[in-house]
Amino acid sequence: GESVGLHLPTLSVQEGDNSIINCAYSNSASDYFIWYKQESGKGPQFIIDIRSNMDKRQGQRVTVLLNKTVKHLSLQIAATQPGDSAVYFCAESMEYGNKLVFGAGTILRVKS
Amino acid sequence: SAVISQKPSRDICQRGTSLTIQCQVDSQVTMMFWYRQQPGQSLTLIATANQGSEATYESGFVIDKFPISRPNLTFSTLTVSNMSPEDSSIYLCSVDRAGGEETQYFGPGTRLLVL
Repeated sequence: GESVGLHLPTLSVQEGDNSIINCAYSNSASDYFIWYKQESGKGPQFIIDIRSNMDKRQGQRVTVLLNKTVKHLSLQIAATQPGDSAVYFCAESMEYGNKLVFGAGTILRVKS
Repeated sequence: SAVISQKPSRDICQRGTSLTIQCQVDSQVTMMFWYRQQPGQSLTLIATANQGSEATYESGFVIDKFPISRPNLTFSTLTVSNMSPEDSSIYLCSVDRAGGEETQYFGPGTRLLVL
């Protein structure tokens, strides 16, 4: 399949290391945030979400951190695996479940 | 989560023609959205497909170019009209409030190449 991340920043990590992907969001009124993973040739896949009344949320091997003061969102992936290689997008919404505004995206490459 | 399918999965079209993309969900959903993802870029919302009324378009997108239908709570179509090479993109539908969950899930996308 084609790559959708030809012009995106790239993060390269060694298999087994932790990955941190960052995102600066644009609207201080946004109150809902989602991280998506997009593999080549596929649609975005939901990873984890967080509401603005929280600053941290954990899932399986993933953690999302929200810093509203500086409008910053990060996705931490523990023990990164080759299957984690993909493009990662953050998205924000002013209303829970409403239309999303997507960030630019980051390519994650996992080296074995 | 919902199971979302799109047809066609990919197509190659000649400029000046139109293509209709279908999005089918396996459960009734309140909101359906259409996004465009140009090569090497992020996703941009085209419009919200409203059941029983006209779609709500985002700035830069117009109904004449991207007519949308939403005849029921499980199906929507997006037409890309009078295509030019600049319309070459991935077109994605998404849904929320599917199965009682309140986040957005995406279909696999339709990869369009206009020659």
